[in-house]
Amino acid sequence: GAVVSQHPSWVICKSGTSVKIECRSLDFQATTMFWYRQFPKQSLMLMATSNEGSKATYEQGVEKDKFLINHASLTLSTLTVTSAHPEDSSFYICSARDSGRETQYFGPGTRLLVL
Amino acid sequence: QQQVKQSPQSLIVQKGGISIINCAYENTAFDYFPWYQQFPGKGPALLIAIRPDVSEKKEGRFTISFNKSAKQFSLHIMDSQPGDSATYFCAASGITSGSRLTFGEGTQLTVNP
Repeated sequence: GAVVSQHPSWVICKSGTSVKIECRSLDFQATTMFWYRQFPKQSLMLMATSNEGSKATYEQGVEKDKFLINHASLTLSTLTVTSAHPEDSSFYICSARDSGRETQYFGPGTRLLVL
Repeated sequence: QQQVKQSPQSLIVQKGGISIINCAYENTAFDYFPWYQQFPGKGPALLIAIRPDVSEKKEGRFTISFNKSAKQFSLHIMDSQPGDSATYFCAASGITSGSRLTFGEGTQLTVNP
């Protein structure tokens, strides 16, 4: 149990385009989902916290207009990188917290390359 | 206040040996301390977690030791295997942080055969 999926697993796009990444909790309901960014050989950096049915809370320094987060249901959250630039190239990972529990389960990650 | 310090940055252990990774935190409001294992190109996977009301938790070859007064906790991997070679992250969270995890910097473990 406690499986989180992400789609796509990797994506290459041209500079200036938008990319949407989906995060799904497959066998549990997640009132809260988190989006992280990870650069090579570095730790995970929390970008935003997404609560179902409400606006996401962004960490300091993360542009909310660039990284659009939607958490429309208890099993799906999406991250849209708008007007992507090469510096947005990174490994994006979501996690989902089982309702009423502390544990966060992570997705497999999405590698984004912006050319 | 929100930092979690992790050491060592990298660790090389022989097969069958014990791997020990240490973490220290500052925020006394933290009350949940998980460890995650991450393989290259994959998302982190929860290994084991502990709360401050116990000093030790063991699951298979993995043990967390927790020292509340010192604000430190550590992961011990017994009988380390080459398949354990990965990056390990400690983390901490608490109600006051909205269950947001604060991660350590990570430890790259290599277990030589």
